Amino acid sequence: QQPVQSPQAVILREGEDAVINCSSSKALYSVHWYRQKHGEAPVFLMILLKGGEQKGHEKISASFNEKKQQSSLYLTASQLSYSGTYFCGTEKGTGNQFYFGTGTSLTVIP
Amino acid sequence: EADIYQTPRYLVIGTGKKITLECSQTMGHDKMYWYQQDPGMELHLIHYSYGVNSTEKGDLSSESTVSRIRTEHFPLTLESARPSHTSQYLCASTLSGANVLTFGAGSRLTVL
Repeated sequence: QQPVQSPQAVILREGEDAVINCSSSKALYSVHWYRQKHGEAPVFLMILLKGGEQKGHEKISASFNEKKQQSSLYLTASQLSYSGTYFCGTEKGTGNQFYFGTGTSLTVIP
Repeated sequence: EADIYQTPRYLVIGTGKKITLECSQTMGHDKMYWYQQDPGMELHLIHYSYGVNSTEKGDLSSESTVSRIRTEHFPLTLESARPSHTSQYLCASTLSGANVLTFGAGSRLTVL
């Protein structure tokens, strides 16, 4: 039921790029991305509502391949502030239920 | 700035005690959610509500119960806490059609 994310964890140096993938065994009608810093609540980053849609947020962008039931989050020129756990999420049924992926821990080091 | 509040933030309690985790939001959101998050990071949906007097169970089986008597309030209750209930519990809300969840800071429960 839960989307699967890969990689599970990644360590980057400042300025490096990273890609986080989110795959679902069921059809995805929308994909959400959230970031949770240690000890804090998850914070919304962006939502993709259509297949093929790409969105950007600062140096963080995402794509959505509805046919492949996948979404990817791209982090370019990473900064220390990007460290945290990233979750993809999706809705189920009538949209009353939100489910999250398995999470990706991202650590940016100097 | 979060407009969704959870109390207590931290709770250490003995086995068999009854506990209630409070969640309140001031945004007028009709949909509210409870997630359980273990140290392994995954967020599991345990309860949700799409309005007053509506509550549903999520995919992760939980011995907790919830109620939604007022729009802004969505408390979670454990009648008899056990060590297996030790976890972080996150409350979230959204407005129908908005598709963006706002999370509370979480309640970290430890049952001895």
